[in-house]
Amino acid sequence: AQSVAQPEDQVNVAEGNPLTVKCTYSVSGNPYLFWYVQYPNRGLQFLLKYITGDNLVKGSYGFEAEFNKSQTSFHLKKPSALVSDSALYFCAVAAGNKLTFGGGTRVLVKP
Amino acid sequence: SAVISQKPSRDICQRGTSLTIQCQVDSQVTMMFWYRQQPGQSLTLIATANQGSEATYESGFVIDKFPISRPNLTFSTLTVSNMSPEDSSIYLCSGRGTDTQYFGPGTRLTVL
Repeated sequence: AQSVAQPEDQVNVAEGNPLTVKCTYSVSGNPYLFWYVQYPNRGLQFLLKYITGDNLVKGSYGFEAEFNKSQTSFHLKKPSALVSDSALYFCAVAAGNKLTFGGGTRVLVKP
Repeated sequence: SAVISQKPSRDICQRGTSLTIQCQVDSQVTMMFWYRQQPGQSLTLIATANQGSEATYESGFVIDKFPISRPNLTFSTLTVSNMSPEDSSIYLCSGRGTDTQYFGPGTRLTVL
């Protein structure tokens, strides 16, 4: 069975500094990996995905993620964080028809 | 990308009653799903809604408690039956396009 781990419950970063949200996965076969963001009282918004190809994936709102097969990781990054990036971030892996989510990481960007 | 709407956005219900949540997608999706999320927590898959047939439920979820319908490609309903306070949660509808899954805004349910 597939699984996703987000080792940090919360990440605090100052506005303008780089932001990294960590994710590791376990899946049989080729991984389909996703990042979603959830703002307060909102549904999940799709940020980016890795299916195949280039290990560096660019997504919405200036976010990118790097797929590392040897480390089974798919960390989310943003070079310069904004206060408006404060939200709950979920990593997910798809295997077959099911999407399995990590526990989520709360990001707090301070002015 | 698919745009997914849900009704109602929130509700407060009495113990023992039932609530039906509606989900509409604006384009045809290959699959539809229902998830449950405690505020600030991760998502748990309840079931896959199958068009014209019985839904496929995950372990721990049963049809009598969470009956699901999907009469066509773009519409589905989830009913939370005989509610108890433990059913208080956010219920999210989701639809899968070619290779990306999209989510509705959720229905926040409080059971008193």
